[in-house]
Amino acid sequence: DTAVSQTPKYLVTQMGNDKSIKCEQNLGHDTMYWYKQDSKKFLKIMFSYNNKELIINETVPNRFSPKSPDKAHLNLHINSLELGDSAVYFCASSQEFGVLDNSPLHFGNGTRLTVT
Amino acid sequence: GQNIDQPTEMTATEGAIVQINCTYQTSGFNGLFWYQQHAGEAPTFLSYNVLDGLEEKGRFSSFLSRSKGYSYLLLKELQMKDSASYLCAVRAGTGANNLFFGTGTRLTVIP
Repeated sequence: DTAVSQTPKYLVTQMGNDKSIKCEQNLGHDTMYWYKQDSKKFLKIMFSYNNKELIINETVPNRFSPKSPDKAHLNLHINSLELGDSAVYFCASSQEFGVLDNSPLHFGNGTRLTVT
Repeated sequence: GQNIDQPTEMTATEGAIVQINCTYQTSGFNGLFWYQQHAGEAPTFLSYNVLDGLEEKGRFSSFLSRSKGYSYLLLKELQMKDSASYLCAVRAGTGANNLFFGTGTRLTVIP
C-alpha cells in the first residue's frame, strides 16, 4: 500500500544510453513532480504535472522528458545519458493547496542513477 | 530566483535541544516546510509555517518570521534516531506547489 512508488530503485547504465524511471501514486493527488538530488544532497525540482499538463520546467536539458499517461503516473525518460546525470531522482505528489493549507509533498523512495 | 541557506552540519547530544536555522530570499512566498531525510531514504514532511510564529508538534517545533526571511526547526529531547538531514523548503510563486529546497543540515546525535 505504498503511497508513492518508483522503479527501479537502482539504475546503472553507460553514457549515451536511453533509460526510463517509472512513478505511480495511489493518493489521488492532483500534481506529481520529479526532483533531482545531487551528490551534495541538494534537492532541485525538475518538473511538475497537474492534470496532465506540464506546469514547471526548471531549465533541465531537453534530453529529459516527463510522460504522464494518467493522473496517477509520471514517468521520466532520459535520452543520451551523460556522466553528470548521475544522481538520485525522486518522484513526489501533492494535492492542490490553498495558502493556509500545507499540502506537503509525498516522496517516493528514490532511484539512484549511476552513469558510467 | 530563490536563495535558501542553512548550516551544512550540526552535532548535538542525546536528550538535548537543537535549533536548526534557515534564512531565505524569495519572491512570492507561500509557506515554508521542514522535511527530514534519513540517509538513503525519501524526505518526509515535518512541519509547515505560512504565518509568523511558532508551530509545535510533539518534540518538534518550527518558527517563522516572514519580515526577516527566517525560520528555525527546534528538536527537543533528542534521540539517536533523529540523526538525519533536515531540509528547509520554501513554497514560492503562484499556481503549482513549487517547493525550493535548501541544501539541508546534517544533524548527528551523539550519546
